Parts: sequence; structure tokens; C-alpha cells
Amino acid sequence: DAGVIQSPRHEVTEMGQEVTLRCKPISGHNSLFWYRQTMMRGLELLIYFNNNVPIDDSGMPEDRFSAKMPNASFSTLKIQPSEPRDSAVYFCASSLRGSGANVLTFGAGSRLTVL
Amino acid sequence: AQSVTQPDIHITVSEGASLELRCNYSYGATPYLFWYVQSPGQGLQLLLKYFSGDTLVQGIKGFEAEFKRSQSSFNLRKPSVHWSDAAEYFCAVGAGSQGNLIFGKGTKLSVKP
Repeated sequence: DAGVIQSPRHEVTEMGQEVTLRCKPISGHNSLFWYRQTMMRGLELLIYFNNNVPIDDSGMPEDRFSAKMPNASFSTLKIQPSEPRDSAVYFCASSLRGSGANVLTFGAGSRLTVL
Repeated sequence: AQSVTQPDIHITVSEGASLELRCNYSYGATPYLFWYVQSPGQGLQLLLKYFSGDTLVQGIKGFEAEFKRSQSSFNLRKPSVHWSDAAEYFCAVGAGSQGNLIFGKGTKLSVKP
């Protein structure tokens, strides 16, 4: 398996622009997570999906952030409009959620810089 | 609420020396515990996990961790560090009924030749 695939790996944009980050989870996994990593706050969970349904979006910073999972093999995280404080590395992770604990497999991340 | 504390932000050890990275967690029930490693510019890779049973768990790359319920700790150890172990290490706690993991702030490991 190719693992969790994220694109783009790097994005530089100007304040006010729309940013869309993409994620392809591991085939067969039924849970998908979006995390944000910054120096100040570490790894923060933004939102996660089970079977394509958003379960907990309490970590989404504000209405400028939105996430979708239209099918089991694709998810997007959108920021509109973007601000400099959104600069971070955004990670997508997937897992096969069963009766036990989750083991998350992470993508390589998308590094976002908002100027 | 669940939380994870990694008291050491940065640790430097000499190559060949032993290593212990500390992790303390807060969780009301039996936790599921994880250690992940992140190399520069990369995603997080699972080193090892504890779900139940033997409190000493073995992982990849020669790492091990011990779950101590009385101390709410899950420290990561390696008897002899290699230069390639330089990276950032994250401890995480998860609940079986929920999907997400809560991560500590990480410990950056530097290895001296």
C-alpha cells in the first residue's frame, strides 16, 4: 500500500486566498483525521471522520476552516480566507477502527505558509 | 480530560549511550498508549503501542516502553542510541471508544558523535 497520500506537500499563498489540502487515506481504512502541527501548540486534532461522517469537529479553529469527505478514498481541508496564523504543517491520518484502539497511520504532511 | 505531558523538550545523548524519554498521561480508564517518531520534514511513524497485557512492549528500531499505571507513565527506552535516531518523539494517548489520539508536545532528540 502507498500509505496516506497528501497534497500539496508545500503551499505558499497570500493572506485572503483560499487553500485546499487533499488527503487519500489507506484503502480499507474507515477513519480519517486532520491534525495541525505548530511550534507553539504542537499537534492538534482538527476534525475526524468515521465512515465518511464527521464525528468531532470541535478542533476546527473557526468558520474559515471546513473539511469534507465525499467518499472513503478522499478528503479535503479548506481554509477560506487564509491568514498568516494558519501557517502550519497539516497532517492527515487514517485508521481501521474496530473494537480496539486506533492505530493511526500518518501522511507526510502539507506545509502551509500564508504570507 | 485526557492529556499527555512530555517534560523534556530537548535531549542530547552521545551515540551508543542509553536513552529514556519520559511520558506522563492523564486518563480516567485504562489508556491506549503510543509512541511515534517524526524525522525532519516527515510524517509520524508508529514506534510501539500498549493496549493491554504485558506492561513492557517492544517496538521497531530497538525501542521499548514500559507502562506503569501507578505512575501514569509510559517511558520510552533504547539501550544504545544510533545517530539515525535523531528525531522528534511523540507520546500519545487514545480511548477505545473514540477515534482520536491526544499527543504530547514532543521531545527532540539530538545525538552526539
